[in-house]
This record gives sequence, C-alpha cells and structure tokens, in this order.
Amino acid sequence: AQSVTQLDSHVSVSEGTPVLLRCNYSSSYSPSLFWYVQHPNKGLQLLLKYTSAATLVKGINGFEAEFKKSETSFHLTKPSAHMSDAAEYFCVVTISGAGSYQLTFGKGTKLSVIP
Amino acid sequence: GAGVSQSPSNKVTEKGKDVELRCDPISGHTALYWYRQSLGQGLEFLIYFQGNSAPDKSGLPSDRFSAERTGGSVSTLTIQRTQQEDSAVYLCASSHAGGPTREQYFGPGTRLTVT
Repeated sequence: AQSVTQLDSHVSVSEGTPVLLRCNYSSSYSPSLFWYVQHPNKGLQLLLKYTSAATLVKGINGFEAEFKKSETSFHLTKPSAHMSDAAEYFCVVTISGAGSYQLTFGKGTKLSVIP
Repeated sequence: GAGVSQSPSNKVTEKGKDVELRCDPISGHTALYWYRQSLGQGLEFLIYFQGNSAPDKSGLPSDRFSAERTGGSVSTLTIQRTQQEDSAVYLCASSHAGGPTREQYFGPGTRLTVT
C-alpha cells in the first residue's frame, strides 16, 4: 500500500521569503513522486516529478524538491515566494513496477502569500 | 494545443436522479483517469482506462458509479440514483500512456451538487 502525508494543511509566508511545503510518503515499492498545484478555479498542473533519477528535482516557477529515501520525504521548496504562488499544493505518490497506475494524493497544503 | 475538457462545468441535480459527466482527453492520449475531489476527503482515484485494456475500477465507491470510454477517446462517468454525499468536483485527466511515471493532464472539473 502507498500513502502520502502533507504535514501542514495551511502555510502562510511573506512575499520574498522562502517556501517549504512538507510531504512524507509510504510505499512498499520504489515510488514515483509528484507535486501538483491547483490555483483557484483552475485545473491541477504538474510542478515537478521524481522518478528515480536525480534526487533533487527542479520544476516550473522556481520550485524544487528533494527526494530523501532515508527520511521518506519529498519536501517542496522555493527560495522566494511570489504572490502568484498562492494556491493549493498536492504531493502525490505512485508505485513503480507494481502494476498500479493510480495516483495517491495528499490532503493538500494551501499556501498563502502575504504582500 | 487543446487541453482536457469536461462538461458540464457545473451540475445541480436532485437526490435520486442520474447524472452523466463527460471528459474529452487530449488527442492522442491513450490513458484516461477519473478522480473525485471533495471537502474533507481530498482527491480520490475512481477509475482508469488504458487503451483497449479492461479498466481499473478499483476506486469506484459503489455500484451506482460507472464509466465508459468510447473509441478510446471520450469518456462518460455516470452516477445513478445520486446521493448528497456524491456532491464533489469530478476531475478527469489523461496521459500519453499508462504508467506510474507519466504526467497526467487534468481538466477543469465538473462541480456536482446534489440537493
């Protein structure tokens, strides 16, 4: 079985300060991990993904995430928040090589950016 | 190019009625997924189609839910005898092929309200 836990339901940062959105996963197999973003009244958009290549993954809009197997974590970071980053972020895990093609979503973290 | 489209964007129905939700995937995408997003439950996988293979229906919550995909393209999700707990946003996604590492492209969703 696989699962993903987003440790914060809501994160608030000031514009220009770093962003950290935390995600821990559980998987019996080698996981593939994703971060998706959902802006209000918009569809989900892929930010970045990890699929067993480099552990530090760079995505769109200056976001990056580091896969840490020892900590079963895949935290999302950005050095400097922008107002346009305000959205809900979902950490997602799926299994590689186990015949399952579903995505298991975390509950989401709502990011607020204060001007 | 055109993304995933869903119709209707909003649907209000009375308890006990049947509803049909439509998804048009990106042209050429062989894999299609349905998800449900509701308050308190996050995003839940419902069903997955890959080419001509039998669909993975393991996420359907009850036998009132069914889905079909005609000609490997358009998909319809049908909910029979709707209940108030079916109220949610139903999301469709497609990808180039099935597989746990593939990016899924999401549509804007259909917001279903059962009164």
